[in-house]
Amino acid sequence: DVKVTQSSRYLVKRTGEKVFLECVQDMDHENMFWYRQDPGLGLRLIYFSYDVKMKEKGDIPEGYSVSREKKERFSLILESASTNQTSMYLCASSFPLGGVNTDTQYFGPGTRLTVL
Amino acid sequence: QKEVEQNSGPLSVPEGAIASLNCTYSDRGSQSFFWYRQYSGKSPELIMSIYSNGDKEDGRFTAQLNKASQYVSLLIRDSQPSDSATYLCAVNPFNAGNMLTFGGGTRLMVKP
Repeated sequence: DVKVTQSSRYLVKRTGEKVFLECVQDMDHENMFWYRQDPGLGLRLIYFSYDVKMKEKGDIPEGYSVSREKKERFSLILESASTNQTSMYLCASSFPLGGVNTDTQYFGPGTRLTVL
Repeated sequence: QKEVEQNSGPLSVPEGAIASLNCTYSDRGSQSFFWYRQYSGKSPELIMSIYSNGDKEDGRFTAQLNKASQYVSLLIRDSQPSDSATYLCAVNPFNAGNMLTFGGGTRLMVKP
C-alpha cells in the first residue's frame, strides 16, 4: 500500500525561526514534491526532486529550500519563517517516467504550519 | 488563463443523485488526467486516473475524457453525504515530465 508520511500534522513557529518539514515515502519512488495549499490559491508547487541530491524549483520557491540526502526522504526548509508562510504543506511522491502510472502523485497527510 | 479550470462551487446535490464535476485544460498535448478528493483539513487522495478518450468506471465513479474538447469530467452516481468534499482535477501537460497542474477544485455538498 502507498505510504507517504510527514513529520508533523500541526506546527506552530515564531517569525524568524528555521523550520524543517520532513517527508518520507516507502514506495521506492524517484520523484518527490512539496506543495503549499492556501484558500483561493489552490495547490502551488514549491520544489521537487527527481533523484537523490537533485532538486528543481517549482512555482514559488522563494523563502524555501529543500534537501534530499536519501531516496525516501525529502525535507522542506524555511530558512527564516514569516507569517505569510502560514499554510498547509503537502508532500507527494511518484515513480519516474517510463513505468506504469508514473505521473500519479500520492500525497502525505499534510502539515498545517502556523507562523506567529 | 488558468491551465486547469474548475468551477469552485459549491455544487449541491441531493443524496442518491448523480453529481457531475467538470474540468477544462489548456494544454492540448496533455496525456494524463487525474481526479483527487480532498476532505476539509485533509490531504488529496487519488480517486481515478484516465489516459484515453472515453469513459472509465470504478464503482460509483466514472471519469470521462474528451481530448478534442479539452475537458475531463467526474460523475458520482448514488451520491452520499460522505462524498461531500472538494474534488481536484489534475493534468500532466506535455513536456512537463512528472509534474501535475492542479485545478482549484470544486466543492461538492451532498444533502441528506
